[in-house]
Amino acid sequence: DGGITQSPKYLFRKEGQNVTLSCEQNLNHDAMYWYRQDPGQGLRLIYYSQIVNDFQKGDIAEGYSVSREKKESFPLTVTSAQKNPTAFYLCASSMSLGGLNTGELFFGEGSRLTVL
Amino acid sequence: GDSVTQMEGPVTLSEEAFLTINCTYTATGYPSLFWYVQYPGEGLQLLLKATKADDKGSNKGFEATYRKETTSFHLEKGSVQVSDSAVYFCALRGGNNRLAFGKGNQVVVIP
Repeated sequence: DGGITQSPKYLFRKEGQNVTLSCEQNLNHDAMYWYRQDPGQGLRLIYYSQIVNDFQKGDIAEGYSVSREKKESFPLTVTSAQKNPTAFYLCASSMSLGGLNTGELFFGEGSRLTVL
Repeated sequence: GDSVTQMEGPVTLSEEAFLTINCTYTATGYPSLFWYVQYPGEGLQLLLKATKADDKGSNKGFEATYRKETTSFHLEKGSVQVSDSAVYFCALRGGNNRLAFGKGNQVVVIP
């Protein structure tokens, strides 16, 4: 089945450690996104990528990094510079930026990161 | 910049009650508007959309009408079920083609 796979579903990290969240899609979508979800704050855009080897900062990129070496993959690294990393992270993809063709973003099931 | 405002707080109602979740937006130009739903432990799914003024999006008994004069896109359902318990997000796609999401509303339907 086509879709977006995020892993791990739950992750615990000690302060000062970097951690990488995986996101893989087999939908042949050009655009991919990372959002952070906090209670009562909705979704905030961290990074997005329109095409392989290209990505842009979203609204809250500080303390995060990404890469887009393959169309199918868009991993997110939460670095030790991120001051408040405990959150639920959602990866999404669309046929083109903003889902221009259908207006639809497809989301993974999310990764919950807890910093101890 | 473009933004979406949803009514504050969770919504708790009984099965078969009428549901309304308010959504207003601020945007330049003519945005497309969306409602996404997030069931417990899952990512978001597109529920419905409208791309121009006076369009009505509908799906699974939910409806929302794009009202340019009031800059609103309120979500309604005539008779909710327990299975409709979820978090509902209003969103818009503006001129930069990025989606802006509202804060979401938790809906709890009691049998």
